[in-house]
Amino acid sequence: EVQLVESGGGSVKPGGSLRVSCAASGLNFNTAWMSWVRQAPGKGLEWVGRFRRDPDGVSRDYAAPVKGRFTILVEDSRNMMHLQMNSLKSDDTAVYYCTSDLEWANFYWGQGTLVTVSS
Amino acid sequence: QSAVTQSPSTSGTPGQRVTISCSGSTSNIGRNPVTWYQQFPGTAPKVLVYRDNQRPSGVPARFSASKSGTSASLDISGLQSEDEADYYCAAWDDSLTGWVFGGGTKLTVL
Repeated sequence: EVQLVESGGGSVKPGGSLRVSCAASGLNFNTAWMSWVRQAPGKGLEWVGRFRRDPDGVSRDYAAPVKGRFTILVEDSRNMMHLQMNSLKSDDTAVYYCTSDLEWANFYWGQGTLVTVSS
Repeated sequence: QSAVTQSPSTSGTPGQRVTISCSGSTSNIGRNPVTWYQQFPGTAPKVLVYRDNQRPSGVPARFSASKSGTSASLDISGLQSEDEADYYCAAWDDSLTGWVFGGGTKLTVL
């Protein structure tokens, strides 16, 4: 059974940084493609970014609102993915979900971790 | 404006059939498989349909989906009170190089 467990959420001031993490089990992490998807309070789902594996290694794609501020880190030895978030804005307040991507879908989801950006 | 659009809400009575529609473009729905997600308040989304019309094991057959051109739809037949939830469509967008989600449709069972 695939399990994704997010951690690291919390409160941070605008302009600050935070790292959230996702621990994966029940899947072959060394071949997995994974994403971060967020959901602001009372709003819909928004894709944040993903890593994919190709013959050259790990590549990353990011949504326009976070490009240059957020970085996806992959830790194969611990089956973990991290999202390093810098220069945080109030618009980044959301529940952050990690997903395992397969079958052309964000197929498996974690329970999410809440990030609040507020002064 | 989102690259993929859905009606914000719909409703039905128990036993009725409802359809939720999703409109995209040639760079997303028109080119790549569509996924439908179901989300209850306070919980993570769950895949209801993937690859346009495939149901994961455990999803009842009364949930079905189809796609034509740049539009997709999710049909729920024999509506039940426990179907009251938010439903999202999504597809990979080749132009944006990312997943695009519809804004979500809130289904109310009257």
